[in-house]
Amino acid sequence: GQQLNQSPQSMFIQEGEDVSMNCTSSSIFNTWLWYKQDPGEGPVLLIALYKAGELTSNGRLTAQFGITRKDSFLNISASIPSDVGIYFCAGQSSGYALNFGKGTSLLVTP
Amino acid sequence: KAGVTQTPRYLIKTRGQQVTLSCSPISGHRSVSWYQQTPGQGLQFLFEYFSETQRNKGNFPGRFSGRQFSNSRSEMNVSTLELGDSALYLCASSFGTSGSEQYFGPGTRLTVT
Repeated sequence: GQQLNQSPQSMFIQEGEDVSMNCTSSSIFNTWLWYKQDPGEGPVLLIALYKAGELTSNGRLTAQFGITRKDSFLNISASIPSDVGIYFCAGQSSGYALNFGKGTSLLVTP
Repeated sequence: KAGVTQTPRYLIKTRGQQVTLSCSPISGHRSVSWYQQTPGQGLQFLFEYFSETQRNKGNFPGRFSGRQFSNSRSEMNVSTLELGDSALYLCASSFGTSGSEQYFGPGTRLTVT
Protein backbone atom coordinates (compact mmCIF):
# COMPACT_ATOMS: atom_id res chain seq x y z
CA GLY A 1 0.00 0.00 0.00
CA GLN A 2 0.90 3.66 -0.21
CA GLN A 3 3.06 5.18 2.51
CA LEU A 4 1.33 7.69 4.79
CA ASN A 5 3.37 9.98 7.01
CA GLN A 6 1.45 11.28 9.99
CA SER A 7 2.85 13.94 12.31
CA PRO A 8 3.43 14.69 15.03
CA GLN A 9 3.85 11.23 16.52
CA SER A 10 2.68 12.49 19.91
CA MET A 11 1.45 15.69 21.52
CA PHE A 12 1.25 16.69 25.16
CA ILE A 13 -0.89 19.80 25.64
CA GLN A 14 -2.88 21.69 28.23
CA GLU A 15 -6.64 21.78 28.31
CA GLY A 16 -7.98 24.63 26.22
CA GLU A 17 -5.16 24.62 23.69
CA ASP A 18 -5.72 24.06 19.98
CA VAL A 19 -4.19 21.02 18.28
CA SER A 20 -3.04 20.48 14.70
CA MET A 21 -1.90 17.28 13.05
CA ASN A 22 -1.36 16.32 9.46
CA CYS A 23 -0.87 13.46 7.10
CA THR A 24 1.03 13.34 3.82
CA SER A 25 1.14 10.71 1.13
CA SER A 26 3.42 9.86 -1.76
CA SER A 27 0.30 9.14 -3.84
CA ILE A 28 -2.92 10.89 -4.69
CA PHE A 29 -6.00 9.89 -2.74
CA ASN A 30 -9.70 10.28 -3.54
CA THR A 31 -10.82 9.97 0.07
CA TRP A 32 -9.34 11.05 3.39
CA LEU A 33 -10.75 9.83 6.69
CA TRP A 34 -9.84 10.76 10.26
CA TYR A 35 -10.37 8.37 13.17
CA LYS A 36 -9.88 8.44 16.94
CA GLN A 37 -9.06 5.32 18.92
CA ASP A 38 -9.35 4.86 22.67
CA PRO A 39 -7.36 2.11 24.42
CA GLY A 40 -8.81 -1.35 23.84
CA GLU A 41 -11.42 -0.12 21.39
CA GLY A 42 -11.78 0.12 17.63
CA PRO A 43 -11.19 3.40 15.78
CA VAL A 44 -14.17 5.74 15.61
CA LEU A 45 -14.76 7.74 12.43
CA LEU A 46 -14.54 11.49 13.07
CA ILE A 47 -14.56 13.15 9.66
CA ALA A 48 -14.70 12.00 6.02
CA LEU A 49 -13.39 14.11 3.12
CA TYR A 50 -14.10 13.42 -0.54
CA LYS A 51 -13.02 16.47 -2.52
CA ALA A 52 -9.72 18.34 -2.89
CA GLY A 53 -9.86 21.58 -0.91
CA GLU A 54 -12.85 20.42 1.12
CA LEU A 55 -13.02 21.77 4.68
CA THR A 56 -15.35 19.88 7.03
CA SER A 57 -16.15 20.40 10.69
CA ASN A 58 -17.54 18.12 13.37
CA GLY A 59 -17.98 20.12 16.56
CA ARG A 60 -14.56 21.31 17.69
CA LEU A 61 -12.87 19.24 14.99
CA THR A 62 -12.04 20.59 11.54
CA ALA A 63 -10.35 18.65 8.76
CA GLN A 64 -9.21 19.61 5.29
CA PHE A 65 -8.52 17.64 2.13
CA GLY A 66 -5.33 19.12 0.67
CA ILE A 67 -5.41 20.75 -2.75
CA THR A 68 -2.68 18.43 -4.04
CA ARG A 69 -4.79 15.42 -2.87
CA LYS A 70 -1.64 14.13 -1.17
CA ASP A 71 -2.27 15.57 2.27
CA SER A 72 -4.87 16.22 4.92
CA PHE A 73 -5.03 18.17 8.18
CA LEU A 74 -6.99 17.81 11.39
CA ASN A 75 -7.44 20.60 13.90
CA ILE A 76 -9.00 20.33 17.35
CA SER A 77 -9.97 23.59 19.00
CA ALA A 78 -10.15 24.23 22.75
CA SER A 79 -9.04 20.71 23.72
CA ILE A 80 -10.63 18.94 26.67
CA PRO A 81 -9.47 15.88 28.66
CA SER A 82 -11.75 13.50 26.74
CA ASP A 83 -9.87 14.35 23.52
CA VAL A 84 -7.10 12.05 24.80
CA GLY A 85 -6.49 9.15 22.43
CA ILE A 86 -4.76 8.19 19.23
CA TYR A 87 -5.80 9.94 16.04
CA PHE A 88 -5.35 8.19 12.71
CA CYS A 89 -5.55 9.50 9.20
CA ALA A 90 -6.50 7.15 6.39
CA GLY A 91 -6.42 7.68 2.66
CA GLN A 92 -7.88 5.72 -0.18
CA SER A 93 -7.52 5.59 -3.96
CA SER A 94 -10.33 4.21 -6.11
CA GLY A 95 -10.33 0.43 -6.13
CA TYR A 96 -7.69 0.12 -3.45
CA ALA A 97 -7.73 -0.54 0.26
CA LEU A 98 -7.66 2.11 2.94
CA ASN A 99 -4.12 3.10 4.02
CA PHE A 100 -3.51 4.28 7.57
CA GLY A 101 -0.97 6.60 9.13
CA LYS A 102 0.91 5.49 12.25
CA GLY A 103 -1.22 7.74 14.45
CA THR A 104 -0.81 10.81 16.64
CA SER A 105 -1.03 10.17 20.36
CA LEU A 106 -2.70 13.09 22.12
CA LEU A 107 -2.41 13.72 25.85
CA VAL A 108 -4.34 16.58 27.46
CA THR A 109 -3.62 17.80 30.98
CA PRO A 110 -6.33 19.61 32.97
CA LYS B 1 -28.78 0.96 14.16
CA ALA B 2 -26.40 -1.52 15.75
CA GLY B 3 -22.70 -1.07 15.10
CA VAL B 4 -20.13 -3.56 13.91
CA THR B 5 -19.82 -6.49 16.28
CA GLN B 6 -16.88 -8.83 16.63
CA THR B 7 -16.60 -12.09 18.50
CA PRO B 8 -14.87 -13.13 20.56
CA ARG B 9 -13.44 -9.99 22.17
CA TYR B 10 -10.48 -11.80 23.69
CA LEU B 11 -8.75 -15.01 22.76
CA ILE B 12 -5.68 -16.87 23.97
CA LYS B 13 -4.22 -19.55 21.73
CA THR B 14 -1.10 -21.68 21.64
CA ARG B 15 1.47 -21.50 18.88
CA GLY B 16 0.59 -23.91 16.08
CA GLN B 17 -3.16 -23.79 16.69
CA GLN B 18 -5.66 -22.15 14.40
CA VAL B 19 -8.27 -19.51 15.16
CA THR B 20 -11.46 -18.17 13.59
CA LEU B 21 -12.72 -14.66 14.27
CA SER B 22 -16.17 -13.40 13.40
CA CYS B 23 -17.51 -10.03 12.30
CA SER B 24 -21.09 -8.86 11.81
CA PRO B 25 -21.31 -5.62 9.81
CA ILE B 26 -23.73 -2.76 10.23
CA SER B 27 -27.10 -3.69 8.75
CA GLY B 28 -27.15 -2.84 5.05
CA HIS B 29 -23.38 -2.74 4.70
CA ARG B 30 -22.04 -5.16 2.12
CA SER B 31 -18.30 -4.60 2.45
CA VAL B 32 -16.17 -5.97 5.27
CA SER B 33 -12.47 -5.26 5.70
CA TRP B 34 -10.07 -6.83 8.18
CA TYR B 35 -7.02 -5.19 9.76
CA GLN B 36 -4.27 -6.29 12.09
CA GLN B 37 -3.11 -3.73 14.63
CA THR B 38 0.15 -4.04 16.53
CA PRO B 39 2.17 -1.41 18.42
CA GLY B 40 5.10 -1.73 16.05
CA GLN B 41 3.35 -1.94 12.68
CA GLY B 42 0.18 0.05 13.28
CA LEU B 43 -2.95 -0.77 11.31
CA GLN B 44 -2.26 -3.16 8.48
CA PHE B 45 -4.81 -4.21 5.89
CA LEU B 46 -5.52 -7.93 5.62
CA PHE B 47 -8.36 -8.24 3.10
CA GLU B 48 -11.68 -6.85 1.97
CA TYR B 49 -14.82 -8.71 0.99
CA PHE B 50 -17.78 -7.36 -0.92
CA SER B 51 -20.81 -9.48 -1.78
CA GLU B 52 -18.96 -12.66 -0.81
CA THR B 53 -16.00 -11.89 -3.10
CA GLN B 54 -12.54 -10.90 -2.00
CA ARG B 55 -11.87 -7.48 -3.55
CA ASN B 56 -8.48 -6.59 -2.11
CA LYS B 57 -5.77 -8.42 -0.24
CA GLY B 58 -2.87 -7.13 1.84
CA ASN B 59 0.64 -8.51 2.17
CA PHE B 60 0.04 -11.29 4.63
CA PRO B 61 1.01 -14.97 4.30
CA GLY B 62 -1.48 -17.56 3.15
CA ARG B 63 -2.05 -18.61 6.77
CA PHE B 64 -4.45 -15.68 6.93
CA SER B 65 -7.70 -16.27 5.10
CA GLY B 66 -11.22 -15.00 5.17
CA ARG B 67 -14.66 -15.39 3.77
CA GLN B 68 -17.96 -13.58 3.62
CA PHE B 69 -21.41 -15.09 3.81
CA SER B 70 -24.55 -14.12 1.94
CA ASN B 71 -25.78 -12.09 4.94
CA SER B 72 -22.50 -10.06 4.75
CA ARG B 73 -21.14 -11.53 7.97
CA SER B 74 -17.47 -12.35 7.66
CA GLU B 75 -14.95 -14.63 9.27
CA MET B 76 -11.19 -14.63 9.20
CA ASN B 77 -9.03 -17.63 9.94
CA VAL B 78 -5.42 -17.84 10.95
CA SER B 79 -3.81 -21.26 10.75
CA THR B 80 -0.58 -22.45 12.37
CA LEU B 81 -0.44 -19.52 14.76
CA GLU B 82 2.88 -17.84 15.47
CA LEU B 83 3.84 -15.65 18.42
CA GLY B 84 3.97 -12.67 16.06
CA ASP B 85 0.28 -13.07 15.27
CA SER B 86 -0.57 -11.62 18.67
CA ALA B 87 -2.48 -8.45 17.85
CA LEU B 88 -5.77 -6.63 17.87
CA TYR B 89 -7.79 -7.78 14.85
CA LEU B 90 -10.23 -5.19 13.65
CA CYS B 91 -13.12 -5.54 11.30
CA ALA B 92 -14.66 -2.57 9.49
CA SER B 93 -17.82 -2.41 7.43
CA SER B 94 -18.94 0.00 4.75
CA PHE B 95 -21.88 0.35 2.41
CA GLY B 96 -19.80 0.14 -0.75
CA THR B 97 -16.16 -0.44 -1.51
CA SER B 98 -13.79 2.26 -2.68
CA GLY B 99 -14.56 5.69 -1.30
CA SER B 100 -17.04 4.54 1.33
CA GLU B 101 -16.72 5.41 5.00
CA GLN B 102 -15.55 2.45 7.06
CA TYR B 103 -16.90 1.83 10.54
CA PHE B 104 -14.89 -0.31 12.91
CA GLY B 105 -15.89 -2.90 15.45
CA PRO B 106 -14.28 -3.13 18.91
CA GLY B 107 -11.76 -5.72 17.76
CA THR B 108 -10.64 -9.16 18.90
CA ARG B 109 -7.53 -9.21 21.07
CA LEU B 110 -5.60 -12.37 20.13
CA THR B 111 -2.73 -13.51 22.30
CA VAL B 112 -0.56 -16.38 21.09
CA THR B 113 1.56 -18.13 23.71
